[in-house]
This record gives sequence, structure tokens and C-alpha cells, in this order.
Amino acid sequence: AQSVTQLGSHVSVSEGALVLLRCNYSSSVPPYLFWYVQYPNQGLQLLLKYTTGATLVKGINGFEAEFKKSETSFHLTKPSAHMSDAAEYFCAVSEGTAGNKLTFGGGTRVLVKP
Amino acid sequence: EAGVTQFPSHSVIEKGQTVTLRCDPISGHDNLYWYRRVMGKEIKFLLHFVKESKQDESGMPNNRFLAERTGGTYSTLKVQPAELEDSGVYFCASSQGAGRLYNSPLHFGNGTRLTVT
Repeated sequence: AQSVTQLGSHVSVSEGALVLLRCNYSSSVPPYLFWYVQYPNQGLQLLLKYTTGATLVKGINGFEAEFKKSETSFHLTKPSAHMSDAAEYFCAVSEGTAGNKLTFGGGTRVLVKP
Repeated sequence: EAGVTQFPSHSVIEKGQTVTLRCDPISGHDNLYWYRRVMGKEIKFLLHFVKESKQDESGMPNNRFLAERTGGTYSTLKVQPAELEDSGVYFCASSQGAGRLYNSPLHFGNGTRLTVT
């Protein structure tokens, strides 16, 4: 069985500061890993994904994440926070053969302070 | 292209009543998924259609939930009778059929917020 743990249900960052959202997973097979973002009153939008190959993955809006197998982590970062980054972020894992049957973490709500 | 559309956006019903949620996937997407987020909990998988067939319904909580996808187009999720613990946000998502997972990104709708009182 798979599971995802996101450390911190709420994170507050200053505009221009580093955004770091932590995600740890467990999976019995090589995982596919995802970060999704949900802006208010909208659906989930894919930020980035890791399937195979390069472990540093770049996504939209300046976000990137690094897959570290030894640490079972897939932390999300952005060097400089913007007010528009205020949203809820979800880490998710799937077994490659399971298609889009995703197991999500609990979500981290990001507040950006001016 | 139109995105995944869900109706209604909000629904408030009393315990014991019936509610039907609808999802219109992106045209041409064979895969349709239902997910649910109960208040304060994780988003959880409910089921997966490939065209009109149920590929995986392992996440359906109990037999009060019935999902259909007649003709392989839109899908409905009926809750009958609704219980208090069914309150939450129900998300629908779709992706193209065939090919590998990473070539078929998941597109989510805005969700239906269901409140059972």
C-alpha cells in the first residue's frame, strides 16, 4: 500500500522568500510522484511530475521538486515566493501500472505575506 | 478546449435524501475518475472508468454510492441515502486513453461541495 505524508498543513512565507513544502512517500514499487496545486474555487492543477529519469523535475510557475529515493522524499521548492502562490498544494503518488489512481497527502496551505 | 465540468458546484441536502453529482469530462478522454475529500482529510480515490466500463471501484465507500457512465461520456455519482459523513468535496478528473501514464495528465474539475445536514 502506498502513503504520502506532507509535513505541515499550513505554511507561511514572506513574498520573495524560499518556498519549501515537504513530502515523504512510501511505495512498494518504483513510484510516480506528483505535485498538484489548488487555487481558491478551482480544481487541482498539475505543477510537476516525476516518472523516470532525471530526479530534479521542473514544473510550472517556477516550482521544482527533487526525487530522493534514499530519503523517500519529493520536496517542492520555489526560490522566491509570489503573492499568487497562495494556494493549497498536494503531493501524490501512484504505482506506474495503476494509471491515474493517485494517493494524496493531506495538503499544505501556503500563505504569502507581503 | 473546455475543461472538466462538474454540476452542481454546491449541494446541501438532509440526511436520508438522495443526491446526484454529474461530471462532464474533456471531450475524447476515455478515462474518468472520481475522488473525494472529506473535511480535514486527504483526497481519496473512489473509482475509475475507462469509457463506460468500471476499471477500478475499490475506493467506493459502500453500496450507498452508485457511479455510472452511460455511453462513455458524462458520469454521475449518486448517493442514496446520504449520511452526515458523506459531506465533502467530490472531484472528477479525466485523462486520455491509451499510452503511458505520464503522457496522459489528469485534468480535474472544480469539484462539487456536498453538505449533508
